[in-house]
Amino acid sequence: DAGITQSPRHKVTETGTPVTLRCHQTENHRYMYWYRQDPGHGLRLIHYSYGVKDTDKGEVSDGYSVSRSKTEDFLLTLESATSSQTSVYFCAIGPNTGELFFGEGSRLTVL
Amino acid sequence: AQKVTQAQTEISVVEKEDVTLDCVYETRDTTYYLFWYKQPPSGELVFLIRRNSFDEQNEISGRYSWNFQKSTSSFNFTITASQVVDSAVYFCALIVYGGATNKLIFGTGTLLAVQP
Repeated sequence: DAGITQSPRHKVTETGTPVTLRCHQTENHRYMYWYRQDPGHGLRLIHYSYGVKDTDKGEVSDGYSVSRSKTEDFLLTLESATSSQTSVYFCAIGPNTGELFFGEGSRLTVL
Repeated sequence: AQKVTQAQTEISVVEKEDVTLDCVYETRDTTYYLFWYKQPPSGELVFLIRRNSFDEQNEISGRYSWNFQKSTSSFNFTITASQVVDSAVYFCALIVYGGATNKLIFGTGTLLAVQP
């Protein structure tokens, strides 16, 4: 058990509403990542963090923002959700040389 | 730019057959790691193996084996004597170390269906 939890695990929301997904770790890893998984696209990196208050964009960052005010929490925010953001979101944590450990995923449906 | 290509979208085999999942990667960097992850129908992502760019030795773990060839930029995964429990989506991934920032880039995955 890698000590990583995501919340909420399931969420249904309406277009235009803000949504925040939380990733919490108890492993004190430096790196934290947010991915989205969609059929035919595999896992695509949204944003990642390499330290408290240090974040960078991934390949599909438009429409998303992140924050990391402490080591254990990495928040992903959709300021105004759209139907194209319906997806399964995975958080991952890890050291800079080792394998990443993934959360169980958060299924978001935007109606 | 870095890229991982898994050309096989879906593979279907009968139990006990051997199967190889292909992975081709692109990077200009000399220091990188390659990974394989398994995603069973339950949805979680399970780490299988990590290989660094300086170690081209093949690795075997039970029925699983990995063949890393820098000359062809490939990191293929073979399952010997496949079993129904091997049915899953398998992802190949690449991480390049860029100073403080490291990005793990995934391929699109290969869905393996093992029929009884």
